[in-house]
Amino acid sequence: AQSVSQHNHHVILSEAASLELGCNYSYGGTVNLFWYVQYPGQHLQLLLKYFSLDPLVKGIKGFEAEFIKSKFSFNLRKPSVQWSDTAEYFCAVNSGTYKYIFGTGTRLKVLA
Amino acid sequence: DVKVTQSSRYLVKRTGEKVFLECVQDMDHENMFWYRQDPGLGLRLIYFSYDVKMKEKGDIPEGYSVSREKKERFSLILESASTNQTSMYLCASSLLFGTKETQYFGPGTRLLVL
Repeated sequence: AQSVSQHNHHVILSEAASLELGCNYSYGGTVNLFWYVQYPGQHLQLLLKYFSLDPLVKGIKGFEAEFIKSKFSFNLRKPSVQWSDTAEYFCAVNSGTYKYIFGTGTRLKVLA
Repeated sequence: DVKVTQSSRYLVKRTGEKVFLECVQDMDHENMFWYRQDPGLGLRLIYFSYDVKMKEKGDIPEGYSVSREKKERFSLILESASTNQTSMYLCASSLLFGTKETQYFGPGTRLLVL
């Protein structure tokens, strides 16, 4: 069965620190990959998505993610986090059906 | 902007009650989804609908049913609420074609079953 793993459940960083959140999936075929973010008290919303040939994807608010097919990974990065990035981040995979498989989420807390 | 609205932000119900959660989207999306979100478990798909009156079971359909009588509205029904159904329920919608499609989420309904 398809699955998505987010190994970091809780991350605490100081402002200006660099961020990398891990996401690994288990599926050998073509996939579409997504990162969603849920700010405190807000809707889950799309941060970025991969579905093209370019493995480096730029998203909103300075986030980016790199798709490494050989490692089945789609890690989220930001060079310098802000207090406003405090949120829960979800990685999701879709492999050609209606089903989107979500990871268990990573709670990021950024200290001012 | 796509808007997905859910009828209630918070609900408190008693064990055994029949519970209706309503979701409406205003972008003419074909696909609609119901998930539950629990700490440490992420989002789990309960049911999916790809057209009016059409539905597919997700990963955890037991204890739930759904109704889609109109394209814009997708209802989740807890036939007889139980305490283990206490959770955050999220509705989402997306366009039909292409699995590249972004899902748009509602604000969620936090349900407490006593």
